[in-house]
Amino acid sequence: GENVEQHPSTLSVQEGDSAVIKCTYSDSASNYFPWYKQELGKRPQLIIDIRSNVGEKKDQRIAVTLNKTAKHFSLHITETQPEDSAVYFCAASTPGYQKVTFGTGTKLQVIP
Amino acid sequence: SAVISQKPSRDICQRGTSLTIQCQVDSQVTMMFWYRQQPGQSLTLIATANQGSEATYESGFVIDKFPISRPNLTFSTLTVSNMSPEDSSIYLCSVEVSTKETQYFGPGTRLLVL
Repeated sequence: GENVEQHPSTLSVQEGDSAVIKCTYSDSASNYFPWYKQELGKRPQLIIDIRSNVGEKKDQRIAVTLNKTAKHFSLHITETQPEDSAVYFCAASTPGYQKVTFGTGTKLQVIP
Repeated sequence: SAVISQKPSRDICQRGTSLTIQCQVDSQVTMMFWYRQQPGQSLTLIATANQGSEATYESGFVIDKFPISRPNLTFSTLTVSNMSPEDSSIYLCSVEVSTKETQYFGPGTRLLVL
């Protein structure tokens, strides 16, 4: 089955700096890669996703890049704000299997 | 997206008892999923609940411990049976909207077993 590794497990940045979270996946057939943000005590919320026919996608301060050859994908948050502090999960989905495999999570702390 | 609710939001239970968690969606969805999230951990899929068929369980999870019902396209239940303190966790349902593979999560049920 699919295996998703995520790094780093914790990340502290100064407000205004950029944050990058990296994930790798094992199943070359995976073609959908969502990212979720989970604030303390809340449900995971989808913040951005990318499909395998696209190399990069941006939504305001958030961007995701995908390298299918290397089986890497990354989340980039620019101009970080304290409200970006949360746990972020990457995930990968394989067509036909109808299952999303989650990474281990990154706890992001933005220091004011 | 979809509006998803879960009941109860939290509960404290005695070991050996069972708890049934309900998940309600405001629209018809084909795929519903049940996850467990232990404190500080990632999301672990328990099973996929399909309407009109048996749930599909992931490795390490069995129907006797986590029976699931899916009576229609907007509702599902997960029962945690014969609970032990190790079952203390957050249980989340999620739904896949249309066929876009995107999953949206319910608010979760926080379970503490004493």
